[in-house]
Amino acid sequence: QQQVKQSPQSLIVQKGGISIINCAYENTAFDYFPWYQQFPGKGPALLIAIRPDVSEKKEGRFTISFNKSAKQFSLHIMDSQPGDSATYFCAASIEDYGQNFVFGPGTRLSVLP
Amino acid sequence: GAVVSQHPSRVICKSGTSVKIECRSLDFQATTMFWYRQFPKKSLMLMATSNEGSKATYEQGVEKDKFLINHASLTLSTLTVTSAHPEDSSFYICSAWTGSYNEQFFGPGTRLTVL
Repeated sequence: QQQVKQSPQSLIVQKGGISIINCAYENTAFDYFPWYQQFPGKGPALLIAIRPDVSEKKEGRFTISFNKSAKQFSLHIMDSQPGDSATYFCAASIEDYGQNFVFGPGTRLSVLP
Repeated sequence: GAVVSQHPSRVICKSGTSVKIECRSLDFQATTMFWYRQFPKKSLMLMATSNEGSKATYEQGVEKDKFLINHASLTLSTLTVTSAHPEDSSFYICSAWTGSYNEQFFGPGTRLTVL
């Protein structure tokens, strides 16, 4: 029940296209859902995060869509750029538990020039 | 955002030796620090959670005697891989949480190679 599923495993998108990565969870106690971006040989960096009280959050080209009833959330990258090529991890946590994150398996995104 | 550093960034050691990895929060005090292990093209696997001044809490399957964690201050946590073996070779990443904001700040990671 602690697992977070993520798909696709890898994604190739043309420059200017939309990249969509999906995640699903089982534990309804999760109440914080961040997305992290990781470049090779580097630590993950927080991209954007959402809580279940809203269905969508947008920051620049990045948007999280959240479906509480379906226990799913997704990351949309608009106007994808080659510099967006990285591995993306979704995560979930229960804030009262001190930020113990459960990470998805990751999606390797390649944006072609 | 807040900055977390790790040292060293990469280390190569012989089998049987011990390696210490430092994780520092540079501009904030970290109530809690986390240690992760990441295999190539895989997700982050939480190894342990450490709170300043108390014993670390290890995840199931992680040997506490092999991976020694010390969180001596609010800005420093160390992970010591004792008697390292080739199977311990991995990318180790720490993260720090202030307790006030809902995000973890990750370090840049340490690549450990055990020959």
